[in-house]
Parts: sequence; C-alpha cells; structure tokens
Amino acid sequence: DTAVSQTPKYLVTQMGNDKSIKCEQNLGHDTMYWYKQDSKKFLKIMFSYNNKELIINETVPNRFSPKSPDKAHLNLHINSLELGDSAVYFCASSQDTGQPQHFGDGTRLSIL
Amino acid sequence: AQTVTQSQPEMSVQEAETVTLSCTYDTSESDYYLFWYKQPPSRQMILVIRQEAYKQQNATENRFSVNFQKAAKSFSLKISDSQLGDAAMYFCAYRRLNQFYFGTGTSLTVIP
Repeated sequence: DTAVSQTPKYLVTQMGNDKSIKCEQNLGHDTMYWYKQDSKKFLKIMFSYNNKELIINETVPNRFSPKSPDKAHLNLHINSLELGDSAVYFCASSQDTGQPQHFGDGTRLSIL
Repeated sequence: AQTVTQSQPEMSVQEAETVTLSCTYDTSESDYYLFWYKQPPSRQMILVIRQEAYKQQNATENRFSVNFQKAAKSFSLKISDSQLGDAAMYFCAYRRLNQFYFGTGTSLTVIP
C-alpha cells in the first residue's frame, strides 16, 4: 500500500494555465507538507497543514493555494503558471512526535 | 531561524570503501530530531537514519551510522562498505515540533 501518493507524477503544461496536484496519505498522520525541489535539488518548504489547518506558509506567490479537505489530503492548486514554476513538487506527511516525514514520489511539473 | 548546512556539494567513494558526509545545524533548542534522507535518481526521498537529540548514543542502521556531536551541532553520516546502490543525493534534516529544515544536499558518486 502506498503511504503517501501524489498525482500526477508528470505534468507538462503551458504558461498561463491553472493546474492541480493531489496528495493523499493513508498513514493517519496529522501534518502534511508541500515542498518544491528546484533544478539544483534544493528542497524548499511551501506549506504545512496540521489537522486541516495551515501552520506554515512560506513566502510563495499567492498563485499557489493549498487545499486540505480532510487531514488525509492536501492538494496544491497553481494559477497562471510561469516558467519558474518548473520543478519537482513533493508532498509529505508526518506524525506529531519526532518521527520523520514520509514523502510521495514527487510530481515533475514542466512549463512550456 | 534554524539552518542546516551541508558543506560538501559532491563526494565520491570507491566501492566497498567508507565515506562520511558532513552536516552541521544551528539551533538554540535542546529537544529536536535529526535525519538523513537519500534521494536516488528515481527521485524518491528515502529515510536512511534518525537521531533523537536527547540520546547520546549514535544511531546505526546496518552500514549507515551517524556521529552526533550535540555541543558542536554536528551530525555526520558514515556509509561503510559502499555499494553502487548508495549513489544518490543525501539530505540532512532537522526537526523541531512540526517544522523540518533541510540541508542543500550532497551528491554521492560510488566508483566501481
């Protein structure tokens, strides 16, 4: 059983479009995260939700909007895509005690 | 703010030899957790090892061990008997409560 699953794995689209990436975890974790990994492999935290409530909102353009319908899901919607949005986006989840994060397989977003 | 520094962007090791990847972090907290993650070309983020700051004993997982120096805020990863499958990006991470901070990664090449 996949612990953290995100879809799609690959997303190729044109500048200006709106797209969503879905994430679901079946681990019963309370906290979920979105990261952006750029071409230099640097992992940058974007958002964090705990029990459906936003707890971390790093400096990202407001074109990025997370949505958490329940604590097992954290989706990422991106409006008006730009070339600089090309990256791999990772969803992750963790439990409150000092446990590690479990990551999804990533979504490679390519903007044409 | 907490920062995690990996000063070695790239490292290489001969197959069957030992290599150590360095990581330092900055924190004023006494209760936190440290992790090493491996990211092979498949881009999955795989947990390698975990260390609780309140434990003096260094964590070990098969061929992987850490040298945790709390006073020096140092958390290095030692890989013994390196194998071709160890080739990957390695990320050091710090956790305090629900916040995770990642280093910039070290790319490890294993030479046959």
